Order: sequence, then structure tokens, then C-alpha cells
Amino acid sequence: EPEVTQTPSHQVTQMGQEVILRCVPISNHLYFYWYRQILGQKVEFLVSFYNNEISEKSEIFDDQFSVERPDGSNFTLKIRSTKLEDSAMYFCASSLGLDETEQFFGPGTRLTVL
Amino acid sequence: SQKIEQNSEALNIQEGKTATLTCNYTNYSPAYLQWYRQDPGRGPVFLLLIRENEKEKRKERLKVTFDTTLKQSLFHITASQPADSATYLCALDIFSGGSYIPTFGRGTSLIVHP
Repeated sequence: EPEVTQTPSHQVTQMGQEVILRCVPISNHLYFYWYRQILGQKVEFLVSFYNNEISEKSEIFDDQFSVERPDGSNFTLKIRSTKLEDSAMYFCASSLGLDETEQFFGPGTRLTVL
Repeated sequence: SQKIEQNSEALNIQEGKTATLTCNYTNYSPAYLQWYRQDPGRGPVFLLLIRENEKEKRKERLKVTFDTTLKQSLFHITASQPADSATYLCALDIFSGGSYIPTFGRGTSLIVHP
């Protein structure tokens, strides 16, 4: 069964460093998403991406974040200058359509900022 | 502001009983609502989607109801098993910052005792 994959599974970085989190969505899906979940808290939407551009973003997704689909398979989230409060689990998801379609989530990348 | 509320207290039930989880939302009339399951350290897994014109939806041992007057969805697991133990999240699109953002509740932890 096709699945969303994410790498790395765990990333440790120093405050102020740039990190790139990578995702490979399901191959025939058209919509891609990033979410984060701080330990013990709810899953929070960051951004959605369609047709090579951002379609929606939340207030969390500020100028330090960016997303890219550099080739036909990868979808990346870059955090330019990490802060301690960026420590969280980051989930990538993809879906075939937009509204009223299920999102398939990846296993997540645990980001620890020291 | 628009909110999604799920019971933060864990629900403990005996194997074989029916588990009922509640999702309430405020100030909004969503076109649809989704339920996901999340296991510790894993990404959410889609379970069911129910539309505003549907009162009830079933899938195997799962049943979801959607009362747009009460602004409430109920999620039932019949003949519960210890393997059903997980956190269950409801999700809907909430209007925020000028666009509709996929928004998850905090989730309710279900513990099924053998």
C-alpha cells in the first residue's frame, strides 16, 4: 500500500541553524501539507501546497518557514533559523483532492532544537 | 473565535463495550468533519469523514454522527478491543486569517481494558 515517507526520523540542531525536513508524498496525490505537533499538544496546520505553490498557510508559518517541491517526488519544509520553540514533531501529509478527501500522514520527523 | 473541543480526560472502558467520544465546535458550520486515530509518536490515520447533510456514517465497528444544530459529532466504536486504544482526533476546516485552515481538536485518549 502506498504511503507517505519522511526523513530524517529525528533531527537534532542548534538554535539558529537551518534545517530541511523531507517528505515523499504518495505518487498520484496532488495536495501536500505540513503540520507540527508540540509534545503533548494538538496537531497544528502549517501550510498546504498545490500546483507548485502555497494554497493556504497558518499564522505559525511565518517568514522563517518555506516549502518547496524541488523535483517530481520530494516535498520539503525549510526552517531558516531554528528557535527552541520549533522543537516538535513535524508531519507531512498528502491527499488526492482538496476538500472532503482524506489526508495520508507520514510517520513524522522529530525536531529537537538545543 | 472558532474552536474545536474534545474531552481532554481519557476514556477508560472494558473490552467489548461501546466507546463514545465527543467533538464539539463553536461559531462555525463546517461542510464536513473528519475523525482520525493517532498512536503515540505516529502520524494521524484517517478513519471517517461525514458531511453536513449526513446524519450518520458507518465503517465496520465505527459509527460517526453529525448534529449541525448541536454543533457536535459523536464517534462510536462498538465491541471495543484493546487494540482500539489510541487518541482519537476530530478535524474540520476553520476560517482563520482569511482562509479555511484544517484544524484538529486536542484529541481524546481511549483506553480499552482487557
